Amino acid sequence: GAVVSQHPSWVICKSGTSVKIECRSLDFQATTMFWYRQFPKQSLMLMATSNEGSKATYEQGVEKDKFLINHASLTLSTLTVTSAHPEDSSFYICSARGWTGAGPQPQHFGDGTRLSIL
Amino acid sequence: AQSVTQLDSQVPVFEEAPVELRCNYSSSVSVYLFWYVQYPNQGLQLLLKYLSGSTLVESINGFEAEFNKSQTSFHLRKPSVHISDTAEYFCAVSDHQGTGNQFYFGTGTSLTVIP
Repeated sequence: GAVVSQHPSWVICKSGTSVKIECRSLDFQATTMFWYRQFPKQSLMLMATSNEGSKATYEQGVEKDKFLINHASLTLSTLTVTSAHPEDSSFYICSARGWTGAGPQPQHFGDGTRLSIL
Repeated sequence: AQSVTQLDSQVPVFEEAPVELRCNYSSSVSVYLFWYVQYPNQGLQLLLKYLSGSTLVESINGFEAEFNKSQTSFHLRKPSVHISDTAEYFCAVSDHQGTGNQFYFGTGTSLTVIP
């Protein structure tokens, strides 16, 4: 089945550091990728949607300059948390979705990245 | 606007007992409905989905869900749970329009199977 690889799975770094998270679709072309943030015991909150070759669309309240998203190819999207601070600590999950004549295909999720900012 | 409501945040159940996790949605357009399962420190795994056709959908591990349009529900059921079913379950709805589709997730139901 479709697989989405997310890397790294866990990162700990100092406050002020920028952190890049990669999301790759391994066996399908992901026309759209999504980035979610999940706080403990809560649901996923959509941060942004990116279509390959286009600028990402951010949800209300998400800082574009803080969370930089690049979707330069049909198999790779990156999320860069710039100048990360402790409040940015969270579980970040990406998902990727293809599109067929039958309509949008289910999103396939990566295993997430746990980001801890000291 | 669309939204998903999962009425139960936590559901404890004894092993081999039946379980139902409730999900209601609101939408003004046709919808696609999904259930995802999340094990600790992992991403979401698709459990089952309703896109069209038969309103009763099944997963390979014994779960089933029934799309009820009149009640705008998509409850998840399993007749006999196992310890390994302990996880967080998320109901989600995706709309039918254009290329800007996104998923709207419920707040999740934590299923704990008690030995």
